[in-house]
Amino acid sequence: EAQVTQNPRYLITVTGKKLTVTCSQNMNHEYMSWYRQDPGLGLRQIYYSMNVEVTDKGDVPEGYKVSRKEKRNFPLILESPSPNQTSLYFCASSLGLVGSNQPQHFGDGTRLSIL
Amino acid sequence: RKEVEQDPGPFNVPEGATVAFNCTYSNSASQSFFWYRQDCRKEPKLLMSVYSSGNEDGRFTAQLNRASQYISLLIRDSKLSDSATYLCVVNLRDDKIIFGKGTRLHILP
Repeated sequence: EAQVTQNPRYLITVTGKKLTVTCSQNMNHEYMSWYRQDPGLGLRQIYYSMNVEVTDKGDVPEGYKVSRKEKRNFPLILESPSPNQTSLYFCASSLGLVGSNQPQHFGDGTRLSIL
Repeated sequence: RKEVEQDPGPFNVPEGATVAFNCTYSNSASQSFFWYRQDCRKEPKLLMSVYSSGNEDGRFTAQLNRASQYISLLIRDSKLSDSATYLCVVNLRDDKIIFGKGTRLHILP
């Protein structure tokens, strides 16, 4: 089954403790992206990747890191999480550049709470 | 002007009615347009792409008006299961995609 898989689905942790949210897709998609969704602010892009070893900042990259060593995986790293990073996070992927009219496929989401 | 703008709603509509909402975008060079549906605390799911000639999928019709820079979504014969938040998505350039904040729709029995 074609899917985007995020882990964990839920995480409660404390300020400053490094964490990684994994994202994997099995559709051989080139484009992958991370979003956070907060009430009243909608979905905001954190980072995206157009292909292996190619990553770029989205609208809200501060406090986050990503890597794209393999095509299928695009982990999101919070080196020193803070309470303002408490949010619902989505990973997404698409076949090619979004200009090619390819829609994005989303993972189930990860709900992070930073205490 | 915001890059992508939607009326947040909520739209409270009786079952069986027709409902329509628009989404405006600011960049005239925008290339790709989509409507996504998002249920509470769930991931967004593609509802339909929006093509220049307009397109229809069952009870759903999407249209693009490039001159006025908006896309629209029409839902006919609305069902209770149509209750959700509808997100407008616009590609601003090849590597940039913007989500609207969504329009909440409540279908009332």
